[in-house]
Amino acid sequence: GAGVSQTPSNKVTEKGKYVELRCDPISGHTALYWYRQSLGQGPEFLIYFQGTGAADDSGLPNDRFFAVRPEGSVSTLKIQRTERGDSAVYLCASSLFPKGPRGDTQYFGPGTRLTVL
Amino acid sequence: AQSVAQPEDQVNVAEGNPLTVKCTYSVSGNPYLFWYVQYPNRGLQFLLKYITGDNLVKGSYGFEAEFNKSQTSFHLKKPSALVSDSALYFCAVSVNNAGNMLTFGGGTRLMVKP
Repeated sequence: GAGVSQTPSNKVTEKGKYVELRCDPISGHTALYWYRQSLGQGPEFLIYFQGTGAADDSGLPNDRFFAVRPEGSVSTLKIQRTERGDSAVYLCASSLFPKGPRGDTQYFGPGTRLTVL
Repeated sequence: AQSVAQPEDQVNVAEGNPLTVKCTYSVSGNPYLFWYVQYPNRGLQFLLKYITGDNLVKGSYGFEAEFNKSQTSFHLKKPSALVSDSALYFCAVSVNNAGNMLTFGGGTRLMVKP
């Protein structure tokens, strides 16, 4: 079946501009996560949605970053006044969030590579 | 706070030989441990996870990992490496069964030479 999709695959912008990154989760997955992966590092958590609400946004670095998931499916990560340090690959993941002891597994999309000039 | 350490930036192994990619973790409470693999220009692919039960977990593509609570380790292993296994491997930990962030290690590049 279809996996997590992210658009665009690449985004080049200028310092100070506003960008939106989109994530389409696997159909039926109620949980959605955003991570940021800088060059040579592991992904770092940004925010987690359960349904339409942000259950944990503790990883957002500052108030220039904001994410929404208005209908509980597609999510958009929004970055205002971009800075060169925001350049990274932004990864989205979704999970089924099943009840029970088997645990949950996050499935990742291919990412959006953001370059801020 | 939770953390993951992957002490080797790169592991080199000859095709057909066994491979081990090391991972140690630190959490408060019971850990939920994961291995993901990343190929160039692609997202992370799930390999296997430890939630509870048997310490030896088997996953995709012949990989397995052993949970060792006393050593706080979760090393990834494969009995016979393939050139196609060459990729970037990430270990991750969570403290909840579901609905919580993953904390990743810095990654280990596996190079399998023919």
